[in-house]
Amino acid sequence: DADVTQTPRNRITKTGKRIMLECSQTKGHDRMYWYRQDPGLGLRLIYYSFDVKDINKGEISDGYSVSRQAQAKFSLSLESAIPNQTALYFCATSDGTGGRPEQYFGPGTRLTVT
Amino acid sequence: EDQVTQSPEALRLQEGESSSLNCSYTVSGLRGLFWYRQDPGKGPEFLFTLYSAGEEKEKERLKATLTKKESFLHITAPKPEDSATYLCAVTPAGGTSYGKLTFGQGTILTVHP
Repeated sequence: DADVTQTPRNRITKTGKRIMLECSQTKGHDRMYWYRQDPGLGLRLIYYSFDVKDINKGEISDGYSVSRQAQAKFSLSLESAIPNQTALYFCATSDGTGGRPEQYFGPGTRLTVT
Repeated sequence: EDQVTQSPEALRLQEGESSSLNCSYTVSGLRGLFWYRQDPGKGPEFLFTLYSAGEEKEKERLKATLTKKESFLHITAPKPEDSATYLCAVTPAGGTSYGKLTFGQGTILTVHP
């Protein structure tokens, strides 16, 4: 079984709709991240959480919100989707308590906003 | 501000033709430099972490090296299955970016049989 899972894997939605992307991990890591990837722009950090009570904005947080429901679960919401939020979204985790800085990524969610 | 620049943007090799990918970085105190492999439509797969200048890591046909300003990913006798985008990232030892990765744009590697 995959260590980092994301649901849904693909989603098509309409402008103005609210949508939630979910991430779960079984790696036992305390830190979780949400990124989006666009052609030519690379991976950009949306939000990150170093533990359940710690939520921080990344470089492109406008239009997004997150919820850390448990150490293993981190959700990303688009309150009112717009077409330029069409992208590939990735969740990642890392082991902060173990002092290991590398991040491990989920398989991604391909989101299309029409 | 931390910056990562990868070159070339794309590299086409014949099977067995060894080459190197470059990652130049600027960071205020390096905590770690990372290499990832990404296949189309999939999540980045972690390959290596390098912590200090002079360090080297190897995995199959891949070898990563680190200096104070750049890292190289050497690919020896590549095979078509090595075709992917290779991403480089850095994280600083402290400051407001601590614990966060800054990624380069990636190098798209294509290996022809």
